[in-house]
Amino acid sequence: KNEVEQSPQNLTAQEGEFITINCSYSVGISALHWLQQHPGGGIVSLFMLSSGKKKHGRLIATINIQEKHSSLHITASHPRDSAVYICAVGLRVRFGNEKLTFGTGTRLTIIP
Amino acid sequence: DAGVIQSPRHEVTEMGQEVTLRCKPISGHDYLFWYRQTMMRGLELLIYFNNNVPIDDSGMPEDRFSAKMPNASFSTLKIQPSEPRDSAVYFCASSSHSSYNSPLHFGNGTRLTVT
Repeated sequence: KNEVEQSPQNLTAQEGEFITINCSYSVGISALHWLQQHPGGGIVSLFMLSSGKKKHGRLIATINIQEKHSSLHITASHPRDSAVYICAVGLRVRFGNEKLTFGTGTRLTIIP
Repeated sequence: DAGVIQSPRHEVTEMGQEVTLRCKPISGHDYLFWYRQTMMRGLELLIYFNNNVPIDDSGMPEDRFSAKMPNASFSTLKIQPSEPRDSAVYFCASSSHSSYNSPLHFGNGTRLTVT
């Protein structure tokens, strides 16, 4: 079983729709990251969170530590939001050694 | 700040050749990570450094891969000899602290093709 599961794998929506991408993980973590990878290939860090909720513009990220689940929401989606969204969890391997494990990504396509 | 700088952007080489990928992290960042991305396996951590010291290289596929960080502003990932299965996009990233409490800043990646 993968330590990080994302759903859906692919998502196509109309411009303006509310988008939700989910991430579940199976182990205790130190932090969870949401990343965005555009078709050109560059990767941008959107959020890093260990509890609660964060908001940046039209993007909202939430995490429920007890349920080992995080969601990324996009309000009023726009074609420029089309990208692959990747969830990554920080695992403490041992003291002084923490590493990120990545989900396989959700490919989002917003149609004008 | 110029961000994390990787070179080259693209590398095409023949099997058996040595390949060297380069990375300049953001000034002041203590952590540097090398990742590999393939269609089959997604993003995988190869190795990371803290204050120029390798902390975890368990993701390095085999002895053909080596990484160095001679100073705080430069790191290399070397593959010798290269094989077609090494074809992937290699990303370097840096952060000011560990993934516990600091976001990652990625370079634009190096797309490696080994024929």
